[in-house]
Amino acid sequence: SQTIHQWPATLVQPVGSPLSLECTVEGTSNPNLYWYRQAAGRGLQLLFYSVGIGQISSEVPQNLSASRPQDRQFILSSKKLLLSDSGFYLCAWNTDRGTEAFFGQGTRLTVV
Amino acid sequence: AQSVTQPDIHITVSEGASLELRCNYSYGATPYLFWYVQSPGQGLQLLLKYFSGDTLVQGIKGFEAEFKRSQSSFNLRKPSVHWSDAAEYFCAVGDNYGQNFVFGPGTRLSVLP
Repeated sequence: SQTIHQWPATLVQPVGSPLSLECTVEGTSNPNLYWYRQAAGRGLQLLFYSVGIGQISSEVPQNLSASRPQDRQFILSSKKLLLSDSGFYLCAWNTDRGTEAFFGQGTRLTVV
Repeated sequence: AQSVTQPDIHITVSEGASLELRCNYSYGATPYLFWYVQSPGQGLQLLLKYFSGDTLVQGIKGFEAEFKRSQSSFNLRKPSVHWSDAAEYFCAVGDNYGQNFVFGPGTRLSVLP
């Protein structure tokens, strides 16, 4: 069966520090991968999605970047965190043709 | 590009009462529609989905949703709410390539004892 792993679960980082959140999927190949952010009291904002290795689409201009070095690995990064980067980050995957997205358990990022 | 609205930010119902959460979408083709539930500090769990066929779909935990193309709606319903249903509910629409999901802003459900 397919599983998605996302870590760390919680993270507290100072302003200006770098960020690396990792997401891996098991049990499937060539998944579509997504990074979402959920700010406090707000809905889900799609940040990046990827349909293959090295293929990244950005939905909003921001302080973050994403990479997909391997088929089932999706990394969210920042060189210098801002206070506004605080939030709940969710990784998700699905396959082609409109199947539902499966979500990781999320990472709570607090920038102080 | 598709979009989703959930008109109700917060709904409070009494335990045992019926529930309807509204969702309206905008998409030029036949949409793929989903309802997810999120408990505090957790990821999202799929409640149900609509791809094609019967417009009334059944999901887990006693939820159902009805797709109404004429109204561009996909409202979620439950005949009798339980206290454990208190959570955030998200409606989502996906394109027919499965490569782009858009979520609504969410509706927070509170349940009174």
